[in-house]
Amino acid sequence: DSGVTQTPKHLITATGQRVTLRCSPRSGDLSVYWYQQSLDQGLQFLIQYYNGEERAKGNILERFSAQQFPDLHSELNLSSLELGDSALYFCASSVATGGTFRGSPTDTQYFGPGTRLTVL
Amino acid sequence: DQQVKQNSPSLSVQEGRISILNCDYTNSMFDYFLWYKKYPAEGPTFLISISSIKDKNEDGRFTVFLNKSAKHLSLHIVPSQPGDSAVYFCAATGFRADRGSTLGRLYFGRGTQLTVWP
Repeated sequence: DSGVTQTPKHLITATGQRVTLRCSPRSGDLSVYWYQQSLDQGLQFLIQYYNGEERAKGNILERFSAQQFPDLHSELNLSSLELGDSALYFCASSVATGGTFRGSPTDTQYFGPGTRLTVL
Repeated sequence: DQQVKQNSPSLSVQEGRISILNCDYTNSMFDYFLWYKKYPAEGPTFLISISSIKDKNEDGRFTVFLNKSAKHLSLHIVPSQPGDSAVYFCAATGFRADRGSTLGRLYFGRGTQLTVWP
């Protein structure tokens, strides 16, 4: 158990709909990262938040958005869903912003169990 | 743009033998490398890491080797056990020229399915 929780575990919805995925980081971790794993793309970085502020953006579509709340949990909102959005969505957390990536164990990202999204 | 590559999608090894998983990267700005293990229906689990200032890091049965000149790293598991059967992901990170914009994000390979048979 990594200490990172994600809900729901499974989500089945229709095209055009909107869903919200939730992530609670490990106690004490300030950074939250979202990743998407699809069959043909592997694990792709979407977005990072640190202590409530957006820090970095990766391959995140404009239809997707995220936020991190004062209690440090994060939500990933996916709208106007398409069939191709079906994937596993992982949340990870770490203590630091990533700016001290020099081998400190506190910078390691710990992953949640993921949310499997199926768009029909 | 796959900056981290794991060219072997699968590897099969007998129990007790050595498993060697390989990973190549293209971005010379990467300076920290990690291996994650993933079981079905679970998230990736951190296994071992190495900084670019080292060429080897060992943790029990797991050793990671880094060859910066070849932009290559490998994970050795000795001895391999059936419980090691999982997908192994190589990941990399580091400062980029646009420092601060993508700090901390991990670039993942597509994974190698390791099967350890008795």
